[in-house]
Amino acid sequence: KAGVTQTPRYLIKTRGQQVTLSCSPISGHRSVSWYQQTPGQGLQFLFEYFSETQRNKGNFPGRFSGRQFSNSRSEMNVSTLELGDSALYLCASSDGPGGNTEAFFGQGTRLTVV
Amino acid sequence: DAKTTQPNSMESNEEEPVHLPCNHSTISGTDYIHWYRQLPSQGPEYVIHGLTSNVNNRMASLAIAEDRKSSTLILHRATLRDAAVYYCTTTYNFNKFYFGSGTKLNVKP
Repeated sequence: KAGVTQTPRYLIKTRGQQVTLSCSPISGHRSVSWYQQTPGQGLQFLFEYFSETQRNKGNFPGRFSGRQFSNSRSEMNVSTLELGDSALYLCASSDGPGGNTEAFFGQGTRLTVV
Repeated sequence: DAKTTQPNSMESNEEEPVHLPCNHSTISGTDYIHWYRQLPSQGPEYVIHGLTSNVNNRMASLAIAEDRKSSTLILHRATLRDAAVYYCTTTYNFNKFYFGSGTKLNVKP
């Protein structure tokens, strides 16, 4: 069974641009969540989708958005990039609503904003 | 979601047991306790989870206090490959985790 796949692995963008990151969950998994990891703030929850519906959202500005498609693949978008958005963005999938199921993380997308 | 508190770092000798503590004193009755670990340049990896009873799997054991305000991850024989940052977190019914700063485990040969 293939693991969680995130594309691209590395990305360099300029301040003010926007970026879209993609996450393909493990086949059959309907829940996808996104995290931002930086040296200063650690791992921070962004949002979670289940069956195309956003169920939870972390404390991030509206520039951060996401969506989930009918095949459970998910994308997150960051508009008007700032230098502070440079981070490792991770997604995780699970086969149930969560809680009593394990989450599987991808390798992440390393975003650098210059 | 309960806030978790872990020691910043711990050290162990190879092939010895390691006990990694976590405090989650504000946990609610329906929150599950999860442990993940992260190696450098990789995404977090699931280790174990439980609700009330102690749990064992091929990687580790999870000991949960009777009042559920704390838990301990037990690696029975640490290897060099177990050197990682270990995160303890709780969640109720969602694929949503609030990670603290974790415990960096150093394993000495």
